Amino acid sequence: AQSVTQPDIHITVSEGASLELRCNYSYGATPYLFWYVQSPGQGLQLLLKYFSGDTLVQGIKGFEAEFKRSQSSFNLRKPSVHWSDAAEYFCAGGWLSKLTFGKGTLLTVNP
Amino acid sequence: NAGVTQTPKFQVLKTGQSMTLQCAQDMNHEYMSWYRQDPGMGLRLIHYSVGAGITDQGEVPNGYNVSRSTTEDFPLRLLSAAPSQTSVYFCASSYEGKVGTQYFGPGTRLLVL
Repeated sequence: AQSVTQPDIHITVSEGASLELRCNYSYGATPYLFWYVQSPGQGLQLLLKYFSGDTLVQGIKGFEAEFKRSQSSFNLRKPSVHWSDAAEYFCAGGWLSKLTFGKGTLLTVNP
Repeated sequence: NAGVTQTPKFQVLKTGQSMTLQCAQDMNHEYMSWYRQDPGMGLRLIHYSVGAGITDQGEVPNGYNVSRSTTEDFPLRLLSAAPSQTSVYFCASSYEGKVGTQYFGPGTRLLVL
């Protein structure tokens, strides 16, 4: 069965520190991969996506993600976290109308 | 473009009542989907459509019906609401040109008592 796993339920970092959120996928073939962010009470905003080609993908708000086929991973990174980055982050995989989401990682940013 | 719109924003139902969650998009997207979001569960696919007149089940379809008579609209029907259907519901649309990228609506928060 297709699945997307986010091993970390909750991560706390200090403002200015670097960030890495983990995502692993299990599919028969490499799916399209996405990272979404959701602020409390809000909808989903697309941060970045990977379809093919360059394995390092740049997104909005200074985020990037690296696709590693050998590890079935698509980890999200940011070199320096801002307080406004506090939110829940979702990794997702799939095609067109069918996405499978991870359960999310809640990011807390300490001042 | 309004993008993907959902109505209502919030709804309270009693067990056994029926209702329809509306979803519309004005981007002429072929593909539309319904997801539910529950704490600690991420988003789970309920039903999806690959074009007018074509729908299929997702991961958690029980208790929900859909139809797609036009490209623009994709309503989700709860025939007999249950407390387990208390959730936040998101509608999304996409098209071949931006393969895989889904545009999400703002969500409908549903409480079933």
